Amino acid sequence: EVHLVESGGGLVEPGGFRRLSCSASGFTFSTYAMHWVRQAPGKGLEYVSGIGDKGVPTYYADSVKGRFIISRDNSENSLYLEMTSLRPDDTAVYYCVKERVTDWYDFDCWGQGTLVTVSS
Amino acid sequence: EVILTQSPATLSVSPGERATLSCRASQSVRNHLAWYQQKPGQAPRLLIYEASVRATDIPARFSGSASGTDFTLTISSLQSEDFAVYYCQHYNQRPPWTFGQGTKVEIK
Repeated sequence: EVHLVESGGGLVEPGGFRRLSCSASGFTFSTYAMHWVRQAPGKGLEYVSGIGDKGVPTYYADSVKGRFIISRDNSENSLYLEMTSLRPDDTAVYYCVKERVTDWYDFDCWGQGTLVTVSS
Repeated sequence: EVILTQSPATLSVSPGERATLSCRASQSVRNHLAWYQQKPGQAPRLLIYEASVRATDIPARFSGSASGTDFTLTISSLQSEDFAVYYCQHYNQRPPWTFGQGTKVEIK
């Protein structure tokens, strides 16, 4: 069974840094592109970033480009999101997401999410 | 950027009735469109991909269709567990992709 478990959320001050992690199991992690999707409290879903199965290419929403970096470690079955220059509007639950099939397709498995709160 | 517009924002339906949700794309996404269901406090769940293909273990009462840039999710006979928020999402070409703003299906 596929499992995605996010960690690293918490309270961070505006302008601060946070690193999210996602531990994957139950599938061959190194053969799937992976993504981050976020959801602000009471709001809809927003695509954040994606990374190819070997670590390239990477893609970012305009709202996070230049501030967030996505990466992965296939030897550890782990996905990461480094977030810098955080703003209050980055406050959201961040979901780690797996594609249904490889090569940039829809999402068939979501983690439970980790909440990042940006506030002073 | 492709803009996905979902309508209505809220749909009030009685159990057993049919629900029809709409998602309109601002430009062609071919059939690269998915539907997700999200219940309070839970992560989204994939219902439909490629506009009309049911995902694994999704009941037959859920169906998707497409006509150009107009996409429809139909729930043929609403069950109590179907009251939730539904999102469409395109995955045409390469990311970043977009989601619709969601349709909340509530009990009438």
